Amino acid sequence: EAGVVQSPRYKIIEKKQPVAFWCNPISGHNTLYWYRQNLGQGPELLIRYENEEAVDDSQLPKDRFSAERLKGVDSTLKIQPAELGDSAVYLCASSLANEQFFGPGTRLTVL
Amino acid sequence: GQQLNQSPQSMFIQEGEDVSMNCTSSSIFNTWLWYKQEPGEGPVLLIALYKAGELTSNGRLTAQFGITRKDSFLNISASIPSDVGIYFCAGQLLGDSNYQLIWGAGTKLIIKP
Repeated sequence: EAGVVQSPRYKIIEKKQPVAFWCNPISGHNTLYWYRQNLGQGPELLIRYENEEAVDDSQLPKDRFSAERLKGVDSTLKIQPAELGDSAVYLCASSLANEQFFGPGTRLTVL
Repeated sequence: GQQLNQSPQSMFIQEGEDVSMNCTSSSIFNTWLWYKQEPGEGPVLLIALYKAGELTSNGRLTAQFGITRKDSFLNISASIPSDVGIYFCAGQLLGDSNYQLIWGAGTKLIIKP
């Protein structure tokens, strides 16, 4: 069974540029999460989807971050414009219930 | 916000030694999950615990859900080089129907050559 797929694995951009991350969850998992992980810390939830509905986006900085999961399967997280402080690993996870399974993440570096 | 206190922050051990780490909170949890993360990868689920007092093993790993529901520990027996990584605990608060996980800050395991 394929795990959570994310792309790209690495992205380097200059500040003020836009960037997008893509995630394809485990087949059959209705719940999808986007997390941000800073160095030396645990993941921090940005947004959670149940199918195509964003049910918890309270931690998403909505002035520059947006996400979509139009068909309830794969999802895109966008940052526009990126700031230096956005440098982090962006993790996608999916679940059926309590157990969340993570993708490898996208390491973003903003210069 | 809610916090999990995970300790120790890092461990330097010899190959073959046993390892113990734990997470504590002032809040009550109904689920504890233990993850391992290696450089450049996402966290990988090791063990899931759902009942107070539950003791679950996965190979050389053993984790327990504390009786008070406010803590959990993870033990690794006879450590080997591939055990190196960062171990995270994560818990779901009692009564939280959103399945939101509260994360510890991680325990970095380093094995001395």
